[in-house]
Amino acid sequence: SQTIHQWPATLVQPVGSPLSLECTVEGTSNPNLYWYRQAAGRGLQLLFYSVGIGQISSEVPQNLSASRPQDRQFILSSKKLLLSDSGFYLCAWATGFAISEAFFGQGTRLTVV
Amino acid sequence: AQKVTQAQTEISVVEKEDVTLDCVYETRDTTYYLFWYKQPPSGELVFLIRRNSFDEQNEISGRYSWNFQKSTSSFNFTITASQVVDSAVYFCALSGFSGNTPLVFGKGTRLSVIA
Repeated sequence: SQTIHQWPATLVQPVGSPLSLECTVEGTSNPNLYWYRQAAGRGLQLLFYSVGIGQISSEVPQNLSASRPQDRQFILSSKKLLLSDSGFYLCAWATGFAISEAFFGQGTRLTVV
Repeated sequence: AQKVTQAQTEISVVEKEDVTLDCVYETRDTTYYLFWYKQPPSGELVFLIRRNSFDEQNEISGRYSWNFQKSTSSFNFTITASQVVDSAVYFCALSGFSGNTPLVFGKGTRLSVIA
């Protein structure tokens, strides 16, 4: 069966520090991968999605970047965190063709202080 | 561009009442998928339903029902005889059919069911 792993679960980082959140998927090949952010009391904002290795689409220009070095690995990064980067980050995957429902990781709660 | 609007930010009902969560979408695609997800206080997203644009039949699953109306670009979700465990944030989402388009979410509706 397919599973998605996302870590860490919680993270407190100072302003200006770097960020690396990792997401891996098991049990499927060539998934579509997504990074979403949910700010406190707000909806899910799509940050990046990827339909293949090295293929990244950015939905919202900001202080973050994403990379997909392997088929089932999706990394969210920042060189210097801002206070506004605080939020709940969710990784998700879905089948690439005739998209199924997206399966979500447990999320990372990031607090920038 | 694809867009999902959930105009109701928060809804509060008394247990056993029926409640409808609204979802209106915009897309230029002729074929697409619509979804509803539930986010309980624990934070994880729980898939509830997927509906493709070919099929406008309403669907019922226990106390949940969905009303898809292509003419008004709406995909509303009704919970019958609400329970406290239904308290959560509910998201409507939209994706193009090919899978190469992103899954776009609305801002969510926070439902509080009071005992």
